[in-house]
Amino acid sequence: NAGVTQTPKFRVLKTGQSMTLLCAQDMNHEYMYWYRQDPGMGLRLIHYSVGEGTTAKGEVPDGYNVSRLKKQNFLLGLESAAPSQTSVYFCASTHEGDLYNEQFFGPGTRLTVL
Amino acid sequence: GQNIDQPTEMTATEGAIVQINCTYQTSGFNGLFWYQQHAGEAPTFLSYNVLDGLEEKGRFSSFLSRSKGYSYLLLKELQMKDSASYLCAVLDSNYQLIWGAGTKLIIKP
Repeated sequence: NAGVTQTPKFRVLKTGQSMTLLCAQDMNHEYMYWYRQDPGMGLRLIHYSVGEGTTAKGEVPDGYNVSRLKKQNFLLGLESAAPSQTSVYFCASTHEGDLYNEQFFGPGTRLTVL
Repeated sequence: GQNIDQPTEMTATEGAIVQINCTYQTSGFNGLFWYQQHAGEAPTFLSYNVLDGLEEKGRFSSFLSRSKGYSYLLLKELQMKDSASYLCAVLDSNYQLIWGAGTKLIIKP
């Protein structure tokens, strides 16, 4: 099992460019999450999904969109990147009904917006 | 507002014991997690507490006092590989994780 994978691992964008981050998990998890991690701050939830075809806003959703067309994939889109979106992005997943159990994290995507 | 506080950085000696504290104020409480994160890597799960008391798991133990909004992670017999950031997170009333900024633990020989 690969667990949770993310592509790409690194990316540099110019202001105004768009991109999509891909998260894939092979653990048949229902719940998937996108977080951003910035220096000196805790992980902040951007969007999440409780199942295929569903998405919901987290704490910091502005400037991002998501889609969950397949259970194993969760895509995070930046339509018009801004320097404030420079961050490390982590995807995580957990099993439905196991909210009290661990979230499994992907290796992260390091995004720089110039 | 929701708030989780933990020290920014701690230093300890190899072979010693260190306690990392976490205090929280959240809208509801459905458990507290500790995660370990090595530099440049993803967080990995260490422990989960929902009832008051101490949970022991090998060299690591985690304690919770719900009435005080307080938890600590205790690391014994420190090893150099324990150098990492330790993240405290609370599952709130909406079953979303609220994360602290993390405590960077530096282990010296």
